[in-house]
Amino acid sequence: DIQMTQSPSSLSASVGDRVTITCRASLGISNYLAWYQQKPGKVPQLLIYTASTLQSGVPSRFSGSGSGTDFTLTISGLQPEDVATYYCQKYDSAPWTFGQGTKVEIK
Amino acid sequence: EVQLLESGGGLVQPGGSLRLSCAASGFAFNNYAMNWVRQAPGKGLEWVSAIGGSHTTNYADSVKGRFTISRDNTKNMLFLQMNSLRAEDTAVYYCAKDRWDQLGMDVWGQGTTVTVSS
Repeated sequence: DIQMTQSPSSLSASVGDRVTITCRASLGISNYLAWYQQKPGKVPQLLIYTASTLQSGVPSRFSGSGSGTDFTLTISGLQPEDVATYYCQKYDSAPWTFGQGTKVEIK
Repeated sequence: EVQLLESGGGLVQPGGSLRLSCAASGFAFNNYAMNWVRQAPGKGLEWVSAIGGSHTTNYADSVKGRFTISRDNTKNMLFLQMNSLRAEDTAVYYCAKDRWDQLGMDVWGQGTTVTVSS
């Protein structure tokens, strides 16, 4: 099965900073990648699908890129409400594996 | 409003069984693939199983042969039958709806907690 590896596992940044999270697939998955945000104590929410398409209602400071094996989620201008754990998930074929998560905190 | 409401969680002994349910409303249930995703205490998300509108099923290796996903399109219900439960199955179990193009889970329930312990 294809493994999904996120880095870093956690990060701390200041309000307004540009934050980048990386997700790497052990084999190519084209652009079949989704990103989710899970705020503390809350249910996960879909942010991005097909690697770069913003889900309806998601702020434009979030963006995604990549194809094949390497993907990034970028927050352009970190806000206090962005404190959360972010997960990538592959969607090319079963199993729909998640990455281990990246916890984002405010410095 | 699109809603998913899970039920059926609880405390069960190792080796026991439990059946989770998810009641869906606010969308054409039979047209969408559905998933179960779990989250162990303090851990990340783990995809467990999925079922398409036509009842095609997929499972994570960790539950294959022990869990069975099913759906009743006449009642807008999703189920997860869990047998031979282990301590490592302890988690919050979320029901999640796929996007129409099956490229992400766009609606999630609040989750139901399963605890496997003697």
